[in-house]
Amino acid sequence: KQEVTQIPAALSVPEGENLVLNCSFTDSAIYNLQWFRQDPGKGLTSLLLIQSSQREQTSGRLNASLDKSSGRSTLYIAASQPGDSATYLCAVNSGGATNKLIFGTGTLLAVQP
Amino acid sequence: DAGITQSPRHKVTETGTPVTLRCHQTENHRYMYWYRQDPGHGLRLIHYSYGVKDTDKGEVSDGYSVSRSKTEDFLLTLESATSSQTSVYFCAISERPGQGMGRLEQYFGPGTRLTVT
Repeated sequence: KQEVTQIPAALSVPEGENLVLNCSFTDSAIYNLQWFRQDPGKGLTSLLLIQSSQREQTSGRLNASLDKSSGRSTLYIAASQPGDSATYLCAVNSGGATNKLIFGTGTLLAVQP
Repeated sequence: DAGITQSPRHKVTETGTPVTLRCHQTENHRYMYWYRQDPGHGLRLIHYSYGVKDTDKGEVSDGYSVSRSKTEDFLLTLESATSSQTSVYFCAISERPGQGMGRLEQYFGPGTRLTVT
């Protein structure tokens, strides 16, 4: 059974710092991995999706990498801003076309001004 | 933003009563999903649909049923609500895979906060 873990559970950094969020999964037979952002009391916003054949994806200050063989993905945030404060969730699709996602419990990020 | 709405956004109900949550999409996506989010558990899949009248169970389906009579609507029903079903419920949608399966990115609605007293 696929299990997804995110470490750390919470992180506080000063504004401007570069940071890395970690996601690990137990079964390397994944179809894709998706990173989401969730603001308090809100829904999930998709940030990046990495297909199993890809190594990384970039969007603005965000870069996500995938190492299937070691069961790990990282989300790199460059030059963090207070507006980046949110919970970041990673989710793994092991189901192919049905796209059933298995979620980690998230990392709560606080960027201090 | 993907056109996904959920109703109601907040609901308080009593134990033993039936409850139906609605998800409506304007994207004509084939796949629709219901998740619940609880502290310490993250999001867990309840049921999903891969087409009109085609549904299947997810990880935590006990006590829930779903129906999809139109592409745009996916209903989640709690037949007899219990306190353990107090949660935030999210609907999501995903494209139909084409040749090469496409990106299969999932988009989420704003959520429904359900409290069962």
